[in-house]
Amino acid sequence: AQRVTQPEKLLSVFKGAPVELKCNYSYSGSPELFWYVQYSRQRLQLLLRHISRESIKGFTADLNKGETSFHLKKPFAQEEDSAMYYCALLYNFNKFYFGSGTKLNVKP
Amino acid sequence: ETGVTQSPTHLIKTRGQQVTLRCSSQSGHNTVSWYQQALGQGPQFIFQYYREEENGRGNFPPRFSGLQFPNYSSELNVNALELDDSALYLCASSRSGGLIEAFFGQGTRLTVV
Repeated sequence: AQRVTQPEKLLSVFKGAPVELKCNYSYSGSPELFWYVQYSRQRLQLLLRHISRESIKGFTADLNKGETSFHLKKPFAQEEDSAMYYCALLYNFNKFYFGSGTKLNVKP
Repeated sequence: ETGVTQSPTHLIKTRGQQVTLRCSSQSGHNTVSWYQQALGQGPQFIFQYYREEENGRGNFPPRFSGLQFPNYSSELNVNALELDDSALYLCASSRSGGLIEAFFGQGTRLTVV
């Protein structure tokens, strides 16, 4: 069975500090992992996916199959990064298994 | 390109009642998935519809049912509502093939009293 774990419910950092939101997964197949973000009063939206190996809004995430992790990182946090972040595993044709989410609070 | 829209945005029902939630998928998308998001939790997969057929179901009882229409819009029906059904219900649409991305609606907040 698939599982996604986000160990931190809340992460508070100061503006300009590095950020790392942790995500670990368990999946018997070949994993496809995503980060979704939900800003205040907005809908859930895709931030990035591992398969694209892209950097969006300064965020990157590397899939580490050995450690079964997909941590989200940003070297310098901005106040506008404050949001809920969900790590998600794609399985079995367009179905997502989400972690419980981490609330990122970037303080001025 | 129109986004995913859900109706209603908020709903209050009494335990034991039935409810229908609606979702219009994004233009060009033929797959609709429904998720339940309880307070403080991530979205949990309920079921998915592809070309009007159920295409996978999560760990939800049969009183959760759905439909997809020829225009790919969808309904989620919940019978015999329980207090624990109180949650945000999210609809996500996607297209088959190519790079997978799910586009989410703003959700329907269901409160069961």
